[in-house]
Amino acid sequence: DQQVKQNSPSLSVQEGRISILNCDYTNSMFDYFLWYKKYPAEGPTFLISISSIKDKNEDGRFTVFLNKSAKHLSLHIVPSQPGDSAVYFCAASESGGTYKYIFGTGTRLKVLA
Amino acid sequence: KAGVTQTPRYLIKTRGQQVTLSCSPISGHRSVSWYQQTPGQGLQFLFEYFSETQRNKGNFPGRFSGRQFSNSRSEMNVSTLELGDSALYLCASSLGPSGGRYNEQFFGPGTRLTVL
Repeated sequence: DQQVKQNSPSLSVQEGRISILNCDYTNSMFDYFLWYKKYPAEGPTFLISISSIKDKNEDGRFTVFLNKSAKHLSLHIVPSQPGDSAVYFCAASESGGTYKYIFGTGTRLKVLA
Repeated sequence: KAGVTQTPRYLIKTRGQQVTLSCSPISGHRSVSWYQQTPGQGLQFLFEYFSETQRNKGNFPGRFSGRQFSNSRSEMNVSTLELGDSALYLCASSLGPSGGRYNEQFFGPGTRLTVL
């Protein structure tokens, strides 16, 4: 039972354009969400997070949007750069529950120069 | 500050053998979590240790076990290896118990296990 889903396994975007990565979840008790970026042969690195009390969080070129009613979050990268090419994982947790993070299956982003 | 380190980085074993993987968290971090990453499955949670106690466990068979030492270093053991255990095993550390704000996890580079 995949509680966190990333339905697009891959995405290609032209350099300078916007990249939008999507993530859906099923557990309405999730209240904290994160995005991680992973390069080959490296572990995932934390990118940005959002609490359920917000619907948007921005950090430089990265913005995460949360739509609680749709149980959907998205990561926007503007403008996209070739160095952004990586696998992106979203993760969710329930602060008052088991506390562990549930990860999606990842989306491979390729930014074309 | 040194990051999370995992040893060994690569490992080749045969079916039926057992393996032990090691993880050293960031200094001061008391929580260590283990994940299995396989193509198409994302990061599957194995277990988490906090202050030498297993705090959470994922849906893996009993062949997968772990422990944490007083210096927060952690080991993961897989007995009676199967072909399907071939994967990247990632360790992540956090200051406090994982999940929720202020306890983001920092990942090591992983151990690539190949079972022949």
